[in-house]
Amino acid sequence: QKEVEQNSGPLSVPEGAIASLNCTYSDRGSQSFFWYRQYSGKSPELIMFIYSNGDKEDGRFTAQLNKASQYVSLLIRDSQPSDSATYLCAVNVGEGKSTFGDGTTLTVKP
Amino acid sequence: GAVVSQHPSWVICKSGTSVKIECRSLDFQATTMFWYRQFPKQSLMLMATSNEGSKATYEQGVEKDKFLINHASLTLSTLTVTSAHPEDSSFYICSGGEGKETQYFGPGTRLLVL
Repeated sequence: QKEVEQNSGPLSVPEGAIASLNCTYSDRGSQSFFWYRQYSGKSPELIMFIYSNGDKEDGRFTAQLNKASQYVSLLIRDSQPSDSATYLCAVNVGEGKSTFGDGTTLTVKP
Repeated sequence: GAVVSQHPSWVICKSGTSVKIECRSLDFQATTMFWYRQFPKQSLMLMATSNEGSKATYEQGVEKDKFLINHASLTLSTLTVTSAHPEDSSFYICSGGEGKETQYFGPGTRLLVL
């Protein structure tokens, strides 16, 4: 079992819809969770981080964390074509080190 | 967020040569930086943890004699790929952060070994 698993995708949504990206992790002791966006040929860009159970909202993005279920998700409201990218879920494994999922590629169609 | 730069952004070299990649934290001091490698269509794989003033910590399976890391100051870490071969061609990315939690990535260095 991979330490961090994401929906394999690709995920395609129409412009204006909600995109839902999911991630599960295996280490129950993990405390910090991150979502990165990576455009093709570019390095990852931090979108959000979440430490506590529940929802965390930042503009059109909402991260949701459920430690009991070892599940973290990212919702993108009012999806735009510019949101088309690969989204990486990362789990901090201590001392700043992160383990990444394989990523989910999102395409937002105009 | 914090700014991390890398140089060069891309490099093409002949097999057998060594390549040095620099990673700089521009607006913060980083006692720890991380080096990742990403092959096409794959996720980021942590190679090593670069520690200022001490030896780097390498992940399992990463050859420390091949991937030399030096973290001589709080704002600069370097990765040298020694005797590079075509299979070392990849996208190398460093990251750093003021704390031990949130990390910010550099723009990456694309290496092509012919």
